[in-house]
Amino acid sequence: ILNVEQSPQSLHVQEGDSTNFTCSFPSSNFYALHWYRWETAKSPEALFVMTLNGDEKKKGRISATLNTKEGYSYLYIKGSQPEDSATYLCACLTGANNLFFGTGTRLTVIP
Amino acid sequence: GEEVAQTPKHLVRGEGQKAKLYCAPIKGHSYVFWYQQVLKNEFKFLISFQNENVFDETGMPKERFSAKCLPNSPCSLEIQATKLEDSAVYFCASSQNGGMEAFFGQGTRLTVV
Repeated sequence: ILNVEQSPQSLHVQEGDSTNFTCSFPSSNFYALHWYRWETAKSPEALFVMTLNGDEKKKGRISATLNTKEGYSYLYIKGSQPEDSATYLCACLTGANNLFFGTGTRLTVIP
Repeated sequence: GEEVAQTPKHLVRGEGQKAKLYCAPIKGHSYVFWYQQVLKNEFKFLISFQNENVFDETGMPKERFSAKCLPNSPCSLEIQATKLEDSAVYFCASSQNGGMEAFFGQGTRLTVV
């Protein structure tokens, strides 16, 4: 079992604000880092999969970076909108092809 | 199929009864993962498969939980003699290979009364 940590646990931002949160993972036996967006009562949906140190991925207003040497990834949301309200989960894929999730950051965007 | 199909959506069992959950991964996906979601945001890893072979079952409470992925059948997660603390949403996910994104099913909500 791998210990993947996310912070903060929850976050409230005003519409239009930019925000970011962190995922920390053990850098040994690392294979890939996944970010998922999850709305309650739905299935988590993949946002990004990153594998290389220094990777940066972007999808619209959401982007993510990866530092495998120090074991962290940041997710950024630019100009938050109410529809961005969700739980953002990161998951670390080990060399043994197991996917371990962090406890998520619950984002609420206030109109 | 094009999506991960989990059945049933809801399952209610009396304490001590057996519960069996099913997951049909996306066609062509070799990897299947099972997670238990008890607390709001926590996805607790239970077990993973590559095709019909167990990859890692370190998250499984072995005394009462078992899982299978047999060829040409949905994968299954079975809980013998359910306990109240087994009440959770059980998510299944599949991926084409280990390095690619996982696709999740809608989950099965198990309520043990």
